[in-house]
Amino acid sequence: GAGVSQSPSNKVTEKGKDVELRCDPISGHTALYWYRQSLGQGLEFLIYFQGNSAPDKSGLPSDRFSAERTGGSVSTLTIQRTQQEDSAVYLCASSSVAGGNTGELFFGEGSRLTVL
Amino acid sequence: AQSVAQPEDQVNVAEGNPLTVKCTYSVSGNPYLFWYVQYPNRGLQFLLKYITGDNLVKGSYGFEAEFNKSQTSFHLKKPSALVSDSALYFCAVRDRARNDMRFGAGTRLTVKP
Repeated sequence: GAGVSQSPSNKVTEKGKDVELRCDPISGHTALYWYRQSLGQGLEFLIYFQGNSAPDKSGLPSDRFSAERTGGSVSTLTIQRTQQEDSAVYLCASSSVAGGNTGELFFGEGSRLTVL
Repeated sequence: AQSVAQPEDQVNVAEGNPLTVKCTYSVSGNPYLFWYVQYPNRGLQFLLKYITGDNLVKGSYGFEAEFNKSQTSFHLKKPSALVSDSALYFCAVRDRARNDMRFGAGTRLTVKP
C-alpha cells in the first residue's frame, strides 16, 4: 500500500477481554515497530521486528502483551486480559532496509484502544 | 541504551517570532537523530534527520536542527513561526549499532497569531 495501515482505528473493549491490533507496513519495508502513546505521555517503545524476528522485546509492558510478524509483512499486537491502564493509542511504523538504520520511520495513524 | 530528553512540555511563541524546541540525547556511540511532528488525530510525520556531515540540518516546512556533539543536543529551530506549526514535536535517537528508535516525551508547540 501507499502507507502504513493499522486496524482497527478504534477499539472499545471490556476489561479482561483479549484484543488484536493489526499493522500492514509499507511494501518492501523489512523493519516494523510498535509504540504506545498514552494521553499526555510520549511514545513508549514496545517492540521492533527485523523481518520476522524481534531482536528487542524489552519494551513489552507485561507478559499479557505479545506480537508476531509473518511473511515479513503484516504484524499483529495482541493484548490478553486487557486492563484499563492498557488504554492508549498504539502506533505502528515501518522502515526500509535500503535506508539501513539511518532510515526514517513511516507511521500509521494508530489504533486507539479504550478498555472499560 | 539510548534515550532522549525533551525538557519542555510546552513551548509558546508568537507568529513571526523564531522558535526553538529543545532535545538532548544519550547514546553509547554516535547517534542518528530525528525530529517528527504530530498534528491532532494524526500519525507522526518525519521532519528531518542528522546522520553525518554538516551539523546544521534543514528539513520540511522551513524547520532546521543543529547537532551539537559536545552538548549532546539536537534542538529544532525555525526562524519565523506560523500558526500552522502548532503541533506536538518529538525528538528521536537511534544508536548506530542498533535498529530500534527511541523517542522523547514530546513538546507541544503553540504559535499564537
